[in-house]
Amino acid sequence: GAGVSQSPSNKVTEKGKDVELRCDPISGHTALYWYRQSLGQGLEFLIYFQGNSAPDKSGLPSDRFSAERTGGSVSTLTIQRTQQEDSAVYLCASSSLGGTLAPLNIQYFGAGTRLSVL
Amino acid sequence: ILNVEQSPQSLHVQEGDSTNFTCSFPSSNFYALHWYRWETAKSPEALFVMTLNGDEKKKGRISATLNTKEGYSYLYIKGSQPEDSATYLCAFAIYNQGGKLIFGQGTELSVKP
Repeated sequence: GAGVSQSPSNKVTEKGKDVELRCDPISGHTALYWYRQSLGQGLEFLIYFQGNSAPDKSGLPSDRFSAERTGGSVSTLTIQRTQQEDSAVYLCASSSLGGTLAPLNIQYFGAGTRLSVL
Repeated sequence: ILNVEQSPQSLHVQEGDSTNFTCSFPSSNFYALHWYRWETAKSPEALFVMTLNGDEKKKGRISATLNTKEGYSYLYIKGSQPEDSATYLCAFAIYNQGGKLIFGQGTELSVKP
């Protein structure tokens, strides 16, 4: 399809397990973002990719969280040793331009991955 | 800590009512203000990106204004319809931080037929 695709749409896991969340951005989009929404909270920035590099990882909550992007396309967010407070909806977004023009660009969002840690 | 505040938190209106929401953001280091609409079980969808003080944008029955000097934006919906029911999010972008957006908690709008 033409939009941002995320998988899985739902993930239930046990505390302590590792999970991988995948994002397929719109083809050709340079910039890719991960956000999350915890219960009762607003959307929280996690990480920004410009191509395959991540100039801003300031939102990753702990060293249990990591992300990579390959081929300027697909991105994977990995959460190691999941905790109950990691339960949230994880959203990926992409936009056509990065760098200094990035804030002027619409971000196109996926439908998210709802993560539940039991 | 940079905060984006939205009010009201939720709003219930009748079909045909006009309504408006407020987004307050820090006026320093301002670069852009985004509005998104997020319907349940769907992806957030962009409405507007605004950059200049005094900017006004319109999309059908929805319009927005921007005041960067005092740090606020208004979103207006004229003649609300049930299909306008959604959470409306505003987000603030800072200069020189890529496209990182700082979101408010949203205004949840419910339009009753």
